[in-house]
Amino acid sequence: GENVEQHPSTLSVQEGDSAVIKCTYSDSASNYFPWYKQELGKRPQLIIDIRSNVGEKKDQRIAVTLNKTAKHFSLHITETQPEDSAVYFCAASSSYKLIFGSGTRLLVRP
Amino acid sequence: SQTIHQWPATLVQPVGSPLSLECTVEGTSNPNLYWYRQAAGRGLQLLFYSVGIGQISSEVPQNLSASRPQDRQFILSSKKLLLSDSGFYLCAWSVQAGGDNEQFFGPGTRLTVL
Repeated sequence: GENVEQHPSTLSVQEGDSAVIKCTYSDSASNYFPWYKQELGKRPQLIIDIRSNVGEKKDQRIAVTLNKTAKHFSLHITETQPEDSAVYFCAASSSYKLIFGSGTRLLVRP
Repeated sequence: SQTIHQWPATLVQPVGSPLSLECTVEGTSNPNLYWYRQAAGRGLQLLFYSVGIGQISSEVPQNLSASRPQDRQFILSSKKLLLSDSGFYLCAWSVQAGGDNEQFFGPGTRLTVL
């Protein structure tokens, strides 16, 4: 079946540093790539998304890049803050579904 | 605006007992609906999805079932719970027309099977 691989599984950074999370997908028909943030005990919430007709998208400290040829997309968080600590999930569209990565636990050390 | 409800918020059930979790969406019509399960510290496992009333697609064969009796109602059921059914159950919706749209998650039901 279709698959999304996400790395790293855990990431610890110092406050103010940047964090990068990478995903690869298998379905060449995927055209929508969202990123969700999940805080402990809460529901996942969309933080940014990108469609296949765009190579990069930025929203304040968060950016996403997409390489359709290589089937790679990445989340970049700059100037990290303690409140960025959470689990982040990437996903790729496939038919009527989103295929989620396994998640990255980000810890921002004050 | 659209809202999604799930109940109950928490549930403790003995092994072998039945289960019924309900999800309703307000403020939209003909949504795609999804059930996910999340084991402690793990990722999102898609269980079922539905693109219309009475249409259910199963992603993982197990002792769970889903039904969509109304356009904006999605129910997850089991006749006999297993210990491995414990987890955080999330319902989600997206607008119709393919899967290439944001999914909005409900608040979730935390199920503990003892």
